[in-house]
Amino acid sequence: SQQGEEDPQALSIQEGENATMNCSYKTSINNLQWYRQNSGRGLVHLILIRSNEREKHSGRLRVTLDTSKKSSSLLITASRAADTASYFCATIGGNQFYFGTGTSLTVIP
Amino acid sequence: DAGVTQSPTHLIKTRGQQVTLRCSPKSGHDTVSWYQQALGQGPQFIFQYYEEEERQRGNFPDRFSGHQFPNYSSELNVNALLLGDSALYLCASSLGQLGYTFGSGTRLTVV
Repeated sequence: SQQGEEDPQALSIQEGENATMNCSYKTSINNLQWYRQNSGRGLVHLILIRSNEREKHSGRLRVTLDTSKKSSSLLITASRAADTASYFCATIGGNQFYFGTGTSLTVIP
Repeated sequence: DAGVTQSPTHLIKTRGQQVTLRCSPKSGHDTVSWYQQALGQGPQFIFQYYEEEERQRGNFPDRFSGHQFPNYSSELNVNALLLGDSALYLCASSLGQLGYTFGSGTRLTVV
C-alpha cells in the first residue's frame, strides 16, 4: 500500500503557538499534497510540493519534503482557533490519491 | 462558479438495503472519483469515472458500483448495505488528472 502514516494522531495547542505535523509515505512520488478537513466534511487543498522542492510556503503554512526519508512536514505558524481541523497528506499513484491517517489539530483560544 | 455538489448530505439506511449517492462535478471538469472515509481514517479510493466508463477501481467489492452520465455527473450505488459501510463518501472532480476538487461529502449511516 502507498498509504502513509501521519504523526501525531492528535495535537492540542494554545492559540498563537505553532503546530507541526509529519507525514511518511512509501513509494516514489512526483508531488505531495496537504489537505484540511473540518468536522468530517469535505477536503480543502492547502498546498502542493513537488519532488524537486525541499520547502514551500503559503501564508502561515510551511511544508518541507525529504524524498530520501520519504517524509514531509506541515508547519502552521501563529495558530488560530479556526485552524482546528484534521490535516491529511496525500500522494498520487495512477489515477488515485493515497491519503495518510491524518492529524487532528485542536487550537485552544 | 459552483464547486462539486453532493447529495444528499446525510442518509440513514438499514442493513441489506441499497443506496444511491449523487455527485455533480465542478464546471469544466470531466472526471469523477469516489472515496470512502471511515471515522477517524483517511479517505480510501473506490473508483474513478471518465467518459462514462470506470477507469480505475480500488479495493472495494462489487457491491459498490457507479455510473457517469453524459453531463459528467456521477452516481455511487452500494447494494446489500453492511454496518461497515457507514462512512463519509466523498466525490472529487477533475479535468483529467488536474485540478482535483472535493465535495463536502455524504454521511451514510447504516443501522
